[in-house]
Amino acid sequence: DVKVTQSSRYLVKRTGEKVFLECVQDMDHENMFWYRQDPGLGLRLIYFSYDVKMKEKGDIPEGYSVSREKKERFSLILESASTNQTSMYLCASNSQGTRNEQYFGPGTRLTVT
Amino acid sequence: AQKITQTQPGMFVQEKEAVTLDCTYDTSDPSYGLFWYKQPSSGEMIFLIYQGSYDQQNATEGRYSLNFQKARKSANLVISASQLGDSAMYFCAMREHNTNAGKSTFGDGTTLTVKP
Repeated sequence: DVKVTQSSRYLVKRTGEKVFLECVQDMDHENMFWYRQDPGLGLRLIYFSYDVKMKEKGDIPEGYSVSREKKERFSLILESASTNQTSMYLCASNSQGTRNEQYFGPGTRLTVT
Repeated sequence: AQKITQTQPGMFVQEKEAVTLDCTYDTSDPSYGLFWYKQPSSGEMIFLIYQGSYDQQNATEGRYSLNFQKARKSANLVISASQLGDSAMYFCAMREHNTNAGKSTFGDGTTLTVKP
């Protein structure tokens, strides 16, 4: 079974803190994605990576950065957390190929106070 | 412009009945794929079904089928014989093969409640 794990299910941070969200997949997938999910807004892509050390901005990259030093691990970084970054963060991965669905982690619910 | 539109924020269905969740999309890329995912209250997104733009037949996976109408740009999910465990949020997503470098665009989702 494909497994995508995220470092925390729930996280509470203070405004201005640097926040790291970690995602690990065990299926040797080339592509990895970070989304945020907010009520009524669906899933919005923050960043994705199609190879080690490669990254591309998604639809809402402002205030976020990412790191992919190893194929299995994709980190999302909030350089200086703000209250409007309170959200559910979902990590996903898939292999190259047009028909390949994404596999999602359980999500991290981040609250910034 | 919204690339994926799910017009039903919430739907109710009686157990054992069929239900259709609507999805329309917008693209000028002739090659694309459409996906449906289920998100139960536990939060983890689960892949349900895939339809390619060049697939000749509508996709089916068990109780799930996709009513694909290419000219109308719609890809509705049909769930037959609804079960209580089908209560969840459902997302439609599209991946454009030539124009979007592997990224998928998601709709806002439809919350389905199955009544006993």
